[in-house]
Amino acid sequence: SQTIHQWPATLVQPVGSPLSLECTVEGTSNPNLYWYRQAAGRGLQLLFYSVGIGQISSEVPQNLSASRPQDRQFILSSKKLLLSDSGFYLCAWTKTLREQYFGPGTRLTVT
Amino acid sequence: RKEVEQDPGPFNVPEGATVAFNCTYSNSASQSFFWYRQDCRKEPKLLMSVYSSGNEDGRFTAQLNRASQYISLLIRDSKLSDSATYLCAVPDTPGTYKYIFGTGTRLKVLA
Repeated sequence: SQTIHQWPATLVQPVGSPLSLECTVEGTSNPNLYWYRQAAGRGLQLLFYSVGIGQISSEVPQNLSASRPQDRQFILSSKKLLLSDSGFYLCAWTKTLREQYFGPGTRLTVT
Repeated sequence: RKEVEQDPGPFNVPEGATVAFNCTYSNSASQSFFWYRQDCRKEPKLLMSVYSSGNEDGRFTAQLNRASQYISLLIRDSKLSDSATYLCAVPDTPGTYKYIFGTGTRLKVLA
């Protein structure tokens, strides 16, 4: 069966510090991968998605970036965090346009 | 009009009640629809998929109304454990691999 991992689970970072969140999927190959952010009490905002290694589509212009160095690895980064980057970051995967499955998420607080 | 719209609630219902939520979507070409359940501070978890007119799983029934462009989720015999936020999701236009999520409907089942 497929599993998706995210780490860390929680993170507190000062404004201006860098960020690196990692997501890995097991049990499948060539998945479509997604990064979402959910602000407190809000809906899911799609940040990036990837349909293959090195292929990244950005949905929202901001100070975040994503990379997919391996088939089942998806990384979300920032060089300098802003207060507005606080939120619940969720990685998800899918095969074709069917069910999407989410990782446990990383709760980021920027102070 | 928002692409996917949900009544935010909260819907407060007594145990044992039947409750229904609607999710309206704007893309008439949409072919698949998904309901997710999200508990507080947790990731969304897939509840049901709808690929034709509807789907049923135990106490949960999802129905699709293509003419009016909405999907509904019906929960019968509500349990305290059903308290959560329910999100609907619709794939974006074919070929983009994007999913559009509603902001969710919050359900509270009261003892």
